[in-house]
Amino acid sequence: DADVTQTPRNRITKTGKRIMLECSQTKGHDRMYWYRQDPGLGLRLIYYSFDVKDINKGEISDGYSVSRQAQAKFSLSLESAIPNQTALYFCATSARYNEQFFGPGTRLTVL
Amino acid sequence: AQSVTQPDIHITVSEGASLELRCNYSYGATPYLFWYVQSPGQGLQLLLKYFSGDTLVQGIKGFEAEFKRSQSSFNLRKPSVHWSDAAEYFCATYSGAGSYQLTFGKGTKLSVIP
Repeated sequence: DADVTQTPRNRITKTGKRIMLECSQTKGHDRMYWYRQDPGLGLRLIYYSFDVKDINKGEISDGYSVSRQAQAKFSLSLESAIPNQTALYFCATSARYNEQFFGPGTRLTVL
Repeated sequence: AQSVTQPDIHITVSEGASLELRCNYSYGATPYLFWYVQSPGQGLQLLLKYFSGDTLVQGIKGFEAEFKRSQSSFNLRKPSVHWSDAAEYFCATYSGAGSYQLTFGKGTKLSVIP
């Protein structure tokens, strides 16, 4: 089984809809991250969490919110989706100052 | 803040040829450096990492990278490319103690000609 799983893998939604992307990990890491990937821009950090009670904004947090339900679960929400949030979203986990392990990604399309 | 530059957006090599992908970082102290690979439709997989010590780092799939402080570089190399190496490659860095963010370069897409 994969160490970092993301659901759904693909999602098409309409402008204005609320959507949640979920991430679960079995690596036992405290740190979890949400990134978005856009062609030619690399990966940009949306939110990160060092533990259940420690959540922080990343580079591009506007329009997004997160919830850390447990050490192993970290969800990303788009309260009112807009077309420029169409992207590939990745969840990642890490131990402190070590490499990050990435999930398979969620491809989100906002029409 | 630290930054990572990958000067080459797209590189095409013939199968069996050698490969070098460039990565330059900007940070005064010794950074933590990583190379990730992303195959089409897949997540990112770690190829190798450098934290300290020997400046030539061996990774998976036959890749290696060399940290050169004088050039602020961490270039990825492979002596003989296979068609399955076609993917996008990302260099990334933590700036060190106190940093929370893994900063990525914009990636280099590798195409392999049979």
